[in-house]
Amino acid sequence: GAVVSQHPSWVICKSGTSVKIECRSLDFQATTMFWYRQFPKQSLMLMATSNEGSKATYEQGVEKDKFLINHASLTLSTLTVTSAHPEDSSFYICSAGLAGVGETQYFGPGTRLLVL
Amino acid sequence: SQQGEEDPQALSIQEGENATMNCSYKTSINNLQWYRQNSGRGLVHLILIRSNEREKHSGRLRVTLDTSKKSSSLLITASRAADTASYFCATEIGGGADGLTFGKGTHLIIQP
Repeated sequence: GAVVSQHPSWVICKSGTSVKIECRSLDFQATTMFWYRQFPKQSLMLMATSNEGSKATYEQGVEKDKFLINHASLTLSTLTVTSAHPEDSSFYICSAGLAGVGETQYFGPGTRLLVL
Repeated sequence: SQQGEEDPQALSIQEGENATMNCSYKTSINNLQWYRQNSGRGLVHLILIRSNEREKHSGRLRVTLDTSKKSSSLLITASRAADTASYFCATEIGGGADGLTFGKGTHLIIQP
């Protein structure tokens, strides 16, 4: 149980296009989902916290207009990288927490984005 | 800001030996977790230790937590080639409503 999926697993796009990444909790409801970014050979950095039905909370330094987050249901959160540029190329990973249960987060497999 | 700092940054040992990785953090935490990441892949949750716990075991893994020193260690005993990966500690401050703050990671290489 507690499986989180991400789609797509990798994407290559041209500079200036927008890319949408989906994060789904497959067998549980997630009141909170988190988005992380990982540059090559670096650690994960929290980008934003996504709560179902409310606006996302962004970490300092993360542009909310560039990284649009929508958490429309208890099983789906989307991250849209708008007007992507090469410096946005990274590994994006989401995680989800079980509703009503703290502590444990379940991570998706990640989405590798390459902007040309 | 980066909460956790792991050391060493890289560790290479022979198969069968024990591997120890350390993590330090700066603020009070609710729990500390260790994850493994194979190259270019997602995260695998290894173990969670709460702030009121001092030691935890899971198979070949042993985690300690010293809240007075704000540090934790991960010991992998009888290492195997398949243990080659990057290992990250991550701290949680809240009770599940906050994201995790990850350390920089230790890249572990097990030589066959």
